[in-house]
Amino acid sequence: EAGVTQSPTHLIKTRGQQATLRCSPISGHTSVYWYQQALGLGLQFLLWYDEGEERNRGNFPPRFSGRQFPNYSSELNVNALELEDSALYLCASSLVPFSRGANVLTFGAGSRLTVL
Amino acid sequence: AQSVTQPDIHITVSEGASLELRCNYSYGATPYLFWYVQSPGQGLQLLLKYFSGDTLVQGIKGFEAEFKRSQSSFNLRKPSVHWSDAAEYFCAVGARNSGYSTLTFGKGTMLLVSP
Repeated sequence: EAGVTQSPTHLIKTRGQQATLRCSPISGHTSVYWYQQALGLGLQFLLWYDEGEERNRGNFPPRFSGRQFPNYSSELNVNALELEDSALYLCASSLVPFSRGANVLTFGAGSRLTVL
Repeated sequence: AQSVTQPDIHITVSEGASLELRCNYSYGATPYLFWYVQSPGQGLQLLLKYFSGDTLVQGIKGFEAEFKRSQSSFNLRKPSVHWSDAAEYFCAVGARNSGYSTLTFGKGTMLLVSP
């Protein structure tokens, strides 16, 4: 089966622009998670979507937003880009969220965003 | 809220030697526990997981981990390291039956393998 796919692989933007990153979960997975991996900061939880709704978000400003589509794919938008937004953005999916039982997050290869 | 500590930022091991990567967590009950590995520029690959039952769990690539409730630890081990094991390793916890429903990761341990 196909894994979690993310696009684009690399994206270069300038300060103030907007970036859109996309994620397709494993078939049958309804939960999608976004993480930011910036140099020296580890993996920071950004957003969690389940069944089309935003269920939780991490400690990030509102210019980080997203949505989940009826086919469970997801989009992450970052507005008014700042230099410190440069990072690897990882998407993961799971069959069910932890609130409904034990499960595993499967990660995509990530989208590398560079802000100049 | 849960938290994860990986006390070693870097570890260097000789090829063929044994490996132990440390992970301590903070959570009010027994969490779900995971180890992931990340090669440079890549996503995360699941090595192994603990949900319940036997506290010694086996994973892929010859890795194993032991859950010790009394020490709030979930250390990763491998008896003989190969050069291809050089990567960054992340320990993560997930809260059971929680509306938070995501993973909290440690800062990672970079494994270097010397010839």
